[in-house]
Amino acid sequence: DSGVTQTPKHLITATGQRVTLRCSPRSGDLSVYWYQQSLDQGLQFLIQYYNGEERAKGNILERFSAQQFPDLHSELNLSSLELGDSALYFCASRGGTEPNYGYTFGSGTRLTVV
Amino acid sequence: EDQVTQSPEALRLQEGESSSLNCSYTVSGLRGLFWYRQDPGKGPEFLFTLYSAGEEKEKERLKATLTKKESFLHITAPKPEDSATYLCAVQFPSGNTPLVFGKGTRLSVIA
Repeated sequence: DSGVTQTPKHLITATGQRVTLRCSPRSGDLSVYWYQQSLDQGLQFLIQYYNGEERAKGNILERFSAQQFPDLHSELNLSSLELGDSALYFCASRGGTEPNYGYTFGSGTRLTVV
Repeated sequence: EDQVTQSPEALRLQEGESSSLNCSYTVSGLRGLFWYRQDPGKGPEFLFTLYSAGEEKEKERLKATLTKKESFLHITAPKPEDSATYLCAVQFPSGNTPLVFGKGTRLSVIA
């Protein structure tokens, strides 16, 4: 157990629907990162939050949004889902800001859009 | 253009057959280079961080090295349990940039 908790582990939904993925970071970690992993693209950065504030944005689609709550858990909202959104979605947390603090990843949410 | 490139994409080794994985990056300078191991259907697991050219880190059968433009992950006398995808990630120097990952090397070690 890495200490980063993601729910649900699996999600199957239809095109056009909306889903919410949840992430609880390691205790004390202020930064949360969301990544998407598909077979051909590898891990793609979506968005980062630090202590409730958005800090960095990757190639996140406008249909996707996220937030980090006062208790530091984060949610990634995916709407108007398309078949191409099927992927593994990972959340990672980080304790410090210096490079030696590697990210700790959760076990991911596998999203299947049918 | 990919900023972080890993090679080979896949590698099949016999148990005990040592080899190296490569990670190259295009930007000048970096704040850190990270190696992760990922098992199928699981999240990446942190292995090493390297900061400067010439630095080396070891853990069991794995040894990571760093030059100015690339890093190597050397696997000595691998065992079947070393089979996994190995990911390289780079923290670039400018601003608050997140880790940029390569696509990984899928390693299979055959008994």
